[in-house]
Amino acid sequence: EVQLVESGGGLVQPGGSLRLSCAASGFTFSSYDMHWVRQATGKGLEWVSAIGTAGDTHYPGSVKGRFTISRENARNSLYLQMDSLRAGDTAVYYCARGRRGSSWALDDWGQGTLVTVSS
Amino acid sequence: EIVLTQSPGTLSLSPGERATLSCRASQSVSGSYLAWYQQKPGQAPRLLIYAASSRATGIPDRFSGSGSGTDFTLTISRLEPEDFAVYYCQQYGSSPSTFGQGTRLEIK
Repeated sequence: EVQLVESGGGLVQPGGSLRLSCAASGFTFSSYDMHWVRQATGKGLEWVSAIGTAGDTHYPGSVKGRFTISRENARNSLYLQMDSLRAGDTAVYYCARGRRGSSWALDDWGQGTLVTVSS
Repeated sequence: EIVLTQSPGTLSLSPGERATLSCRASQSVSGSYLAWYQQKPGQAPRLLIYAASSRATGIPDRFSGSGSGTDFTLTISRLEPEDFAVYYCQQYGSSPSTFGQGTRLEIK
């Protein structure tokens, strides 16, 4: 059974930093593209970043230069380093697995971790 | 970036009825790389459809997707009580990947 478990969320001040982690199990982690998606309370989904099996990374303009996605295949772990945080970054952050062969369709999701940016 | 507009915003139907949800893109979606997700309150999204018309693993065949270019549709042939939720489309044909704003499917 595929499991994705996020951790590291919490309350941080504007301008601060936070590092999210996602522990993966139940599949060959190194063989899949991985993603972060966020959702502000009562709002829709926003794709935040992706990392390919070769370590290539992708970001939307809203987080580029502030967020860094990385992976550690030996630990079956995905990370999101978030710097220069803003109030608009407040959301639940989901870790998600890209589907093999259609790798930016997200076929398994964690339950999310809440990040609150506030003074 | 490609903007996805979903309609209607809210759809009120009864169990057993047919639901048709629309997702329109601001420009053509490359490769018909469009997915549909279902999200229930307090839960993570669940992948229903990928590549516009392929059902994900374990998804009942009452869910079907169609379309290409800029116009895509999710159809639920006969609504079951568990189908009432919020539905999102996502394009992943070009970066950045983007989601629609969602359609809320509620019980009439």
